[in-house]
Amino acid sequence: DIVMTQSPDSLAVSPGERATINCWSSKSLFYSSNNKNYLAWYQQKPGQPPRLLISWASTRESGVPDRFSGSGSGTDFTLTISSLQAEDVAVYYCQQYFDTPVFGGGTKVEIK
Amino acid sequence: QVQLQQSGPGLVKPSETLSLTCTVSGDSIRSGTSYWAWIRQPPGQGLEWIGNIYHTGTTYYNQSLNSRVTISVDPSNNQFSLRLRSVTAADTAVYYCARTLDFWTGFSDSWGQGTRVTVSS
Repeated sequence: DIVMTQSPDSLAVSPGERATINCWSSKSLFYSSNNKNYLAWYQQKPGQPPRLLISWASTRESGVPDRFSGSGSGTDFTLTISSLQAEDVAVYYCQQYFDTPVFGGGTKVEIK
Repeated sequence: QVQLQQSGPGLVKPSETLSLTCTVSGDSIRSGTSYWAWIRQPPGQGLEWIGNIYHTGTTYYNQSLNSRVTISVDPSNNQFSLRLRSVTAADTAVYYCARTLDFWTGFSDSWGQGTRVTVSS
């Protein structure tokens, strides 16, 4: 199985500052036939199900604020929150869907 | 807007079978545009994909649970279900149903509210 590793496990960021979450895959998630990376990002707030933020490594879902952005290719990916808001406090997960779906361990984002 | 409503018991005894159902509204399972998944989250831990099903009944399972899991679909009632046999305390988790787009390994854009299942005598 593909292994997904996230770092850091947690981070505290001041309001308005940038938050960066990294996700690594043990195998390339890039499929050359369609030039796409099979990587999604989710946000999960306490007591709620995950919410899909980004698919195909960088495509923001409808209704997701543009302060959220995804980047990367192959095995290295990043979720960036450009200006952290109080409502962004949550755990963030990456998920590969190149093969049997596997999620990263999660990154907890808090307000400093 | 698609909604997934989960139902089923929150307490299951060890060695028995966990059974949950997910009722879909706002989308038709029969349309064949999506796969329908079960995902779980043990207390304080991350997400684990259990498996999913297509409207035809074709299933895909996590190999680590394959021998104990059955996912079934009832297109006429727009429902799909999870059965997990021979449960132990390690199966205690919040179980989610979700819609998975395009292909069986895809990402999930709509989720149920979650069912907290405790395995205990």
